[in-house]
Amino acid sequence: EAGVAQSPRYKIIEKRQSVAFWCNPISGHATLYWYQQILGQGPKLLIQFQNNGVVDDSQLPKDRFSAERLKGVDSTLKIQPAKLEDSAVYLCASSLVVEGQGINEQFFGPGTRLTVL
Amino acid sequence: QKEVEQNSGPLSVPEGAIASLNCTYSDRGSQSFFWYRQYSGKSPELIMSIYSNGDKEDGRFTAQLNKASQYVSLLIRDSQPSDSATYLCAVNRFYSGGSNYKLTFGKGTLLTVNP
Repeated sequence: EAGVAQSPRYKIIEKRQSVAFWCNPISGHATLYWYQQILGQGPKLLIQFQNNGVVDDSQLPKDRFSAERLKGVDSTLKIQPAKLEDSAVYLCASSLVVEGQGINEQFFGPGTRLTVL
Repeated sequence: QKEVEQNSGPLSVPEGAIASLNCTYSDRGSQSFFWYRQYSGKSPELIMSIYSNGDKEDGRFTAQLNKASQYVSLLIRDSQPSDSATYLCAVNRFYSGGSNYKLTFGKGTLLTVNP
């Protein structure tokens, strides 16, 4: 079974530029997550999709970050304009949630390491 | 109080010893619990899931859950240098308002296994 795919793996941009990340989840996983992980911290949820719809974007800085999941499969996360503090690893994860049983095993892609100069 | 707390370490153990990693959580509504291993420069990898009180064993790994004490632990027996990594505790609960399950991560504990 293929895992979660992400691209690019690395990105270096100047502040105020824009950047986009792509994610393809595990086949059949309806739930997709974007996390931000700063060095020395655990992953922080930015946005969660269930199929096409957003179920949680409470921690997404909406003035600069946007995300979409068209057709309930691939997703893109965009930052525009980028700030120095956006330097982090952006992780995509997917899961096959089993409702009523609390099962939410999430599987992560390799991540995109973003450096904002 | 942080939602999920872990000792950041580093925790250093000799090869062959038992490594014990601990995690406490604040939300009594939490339903399921996970341990992820993260090697330096890599993404988190799910290694254990536990859903009910007690112990769950998988090879050299044992997860322990005590919901009354809001405590989760991971024991690694016969620790190997290849076990050297950051171990992330993650806690899952259901949010009826958004009809979604949400995973909250601790900061992780850095484990070093010395040959």
